[in-house]
Amino acid sequence: GESVGLHLPTLSVQEGDNSIINCAYSNSASDYFIWYKQESGKGPQFIIDIRSNMDKRQGQRVTVLLNKTVKHLSLQIAATQPGDSAVYFCAEPRTDSWGKLQFGAGTQVVVTP
Amino acid sequence: NAGVTQTPKFQVLKTGQSMTLQCAQDMNHEYMSWYRQDPGMGLRLIHYSVGAGITDQGEVPNGYNVSRSTTEDFPLRLLSAAPSQTSVYFCATRAGFGGNQPQHFGDGTRLSIL
Repeated sequence: GESVGLHLPTLSVQEGDNSIINCAYSNSASDYFIWYKQESGKGPQFIIDIRSNMDKRQGQRVTVLLNKTVKHLSLQIAATQPGDSAVYFCAEPRTDSWGKLQFGAGTQVVVTP
Repeated sequence: NAGVTQTPKFQVLKTGQSMTLQCAQDMNHEYMSWYRQDPGMGLRLIHYSVGAGITDQGEVPNGYNVSRSTTEDFPLRLLSAAPSQTSVYFCATRAGFGGNQPQHFGDGTRLSIL
């Protein structure tokens, strides 16, 4: 069935380094993906999205890359800061229901000084 | 700009009690939804609404009820609380019917059922 998943459950990054969080999806018809950040005790916060007609999209310190050939997307965070410590989810709207988001399991990013 | 506001932030109930989790949004979004988040299970859709007067079930609707009498509010009711409903509940909204738009989440209600 359709699924969106993450390769690594925990990512430890030194402050100032770049972070890369990976996500695989199985539905080749998927045409829209979203990255969320969830800090402890808070709800998921929208970071950036990308449509399937794009390979790359940049935001403030974040870049999402989409490789449709291997059904893989990644979130890159430049110059990781302590405030970037959180769980990061990739998500896609399910095509079989009204806007239901299919979330990956999440990757915990821990920024060390 | 409050966005999505959920109340209460924390609640403890006894088995069998009922309660209503409130969700209010000030973004005039048509689409609203309720998710629960459990360790190892991710976010699962409980109920959703595509506009005032229209609701539908998600993937885990049993034990929950919703109504949508206004665009702004989408309350979630637990009819008879069970320990399996201990979870963190999130309300989310989206601007339109189209799926290719991000959903915006509240900060959740942490619910414990004893």
